[in-house]
Amino acid sequence: AQTVTQSQPEMSVQEAETVTLSCTYDTSESNYYLFWYKQPPSRQMILVIRQEAYKQQNATENRFSVNFQKAAKSFSLKISDSQLGDTAMYFCAFRAGGTSYGKLTFGQGTILTVHP
Amino acid sequence: DVKVTQSSRYLVKRTGEKVFLECVQDMDHENMFWYRQDPGLGLRLIYFSYDVKMKEKGDIPEGYSVSREKKERFSLILESASTNQTSMYLCASRQLGVTNQPQHFGDGTRLSIL
Repeated sequence: AQTVTQSQPEMSVQEAETVTLSCTYDTSESNYYLFWYKQPPSRQMILVIRQEAYKQQNATENRFSVNFQKAAKSFSLKISDSQLGDTAMYFCAFRAGGTSYGKLTFGQGTILTVHP
Repeated sequence: DVKVTQSSRYLVKRTGEKVFLECVQDMDHENMFWYRQDPGLGLRLIYFSYDVKMKEKGDIPEGYSVSREKKERFSLILESASTNQTSMYLCASRQLGVTNQPQHFGDGTRLSIL
């Protein structure tokens, strides 16, 4: 079974600064996918960024990037030039490859607050 | 854009009632999921389905059942609601067979059992 751990229950950052959210996971799978989801207050959960484990290059989506350290089983999310709209709960999630039918295992979540 | 619609944003029910939570997706996705979200625990998988009438237990299926009679609809049933089932419930769907496809979520149903 897989486990995902987010050790930072809450984080805060000033607008325009950079913040990094931590995520570690444990698995015996060799083929898997990692995701960061964002859940704004009272709004729908949306995908922020994804990483395939077989890709060595870290994924980037505009101001969002990941630091994927496969040997250390670490998958942190960096948000650059933070904006007020980035205030949300962030979830790290793991999905095994193969016939897992797309099941996700989520971390506990990190509440990020961006201050003006 | 994928749209996943949950029938209620807020629901209040009484202990012992049979409760139905409905979820509809409009993208012909084979995969559908029900999660519950609790503070400090993240999202935990209750049940999932990969085809009509096909269902599999997730990590916490006790006290719940599901129904998938049509491809677009996936219902979560609380057979006899209890106070420990007070939670946020999230439905999601995903296209099967495309490995890096993410799940798409509904807005959630905040269920209170009194």
